[in-house]
Amino acid sequence: GQNIDQPTEMTATEGAIVQINCTYQTSGFNGLFWYQQHAGEAPTFLSYNVLDGLEEKGRFSSFLSRSKGYSYLLLKELQMKDSASYLCAVRGIYNQGGKLIFGQGTELSVKP
Amino acid sequence: GAVVSQHPSWVICKSGTSVKIECRSLDFQATTMFWYRQFPKQSLMLMATSNEGSKATYEQGVEKDKFLINHASLTLSTLTVTSAHPEDSSFYICSARGPSTGELFFGEGSRLTVL
Repeated sequence: GQNIDQPTEMTATEGAIVQINCTYQTSGFNGLFWYQQHAGEAPTFLSYNVLDGLEEKGRFSSFLSRSKGYSYLLLKELQMKDSASYLCAVRGIYNQGGKLIFGQGTELSVKP
Repeated sequence: GAVVSQHPSWVICKSGTSVKIECRSLDFQATTMFWYRQFPKQSLMLMATSNEGSKATYEQGVEKDKFLINHASLTLSTLTVTSAHPEDSSFYICSARGPSTGELFFGEGSRLTVL
């Protein structure tokens, strides 16, 4: 089976840094993804980790530790438009269809 | 990035009718597409994996006779909600695996309201 956990909601201040954690337990692992979703819209891709370590992309960074089943998404210089739901998703191995299973999402509120 | 288009964006129908939702990959071929459903303030729940030229693979608890999936070409998958009921009202989102890293690209989503 698969289990993906992330906090339900977080609040942060504009200009600050926030870290959203994700822990997972899966029967097969072939990558971890982070998506951003604004209310009423489809998710948009933020980052992808398949090896341990930190991937940096502008204001967004994502970290993965496969041995610990742990990832985090780091958002720097927060802007009001960053208020959204952030979804952690784990991809299964290809003989399982390579499907993405999503966590419940973390609702981030950025305040002035 | 790769583009996935979904149609219609909004649909309202009467209880008992069937609704078809289309998902197209516009600039790449997608042998596999995924259909998700999302209820308000909840995450995306995978319904089924759509495979071009073969039967879809449904997740546990998803009725295959109610949610008909057809993946007739490398760029088109359709989801038909048959005999829709109010509890089927939801946000349905399709996605296709991109050609490079395998990241999923999502369609715009279809909001279904069954009266």
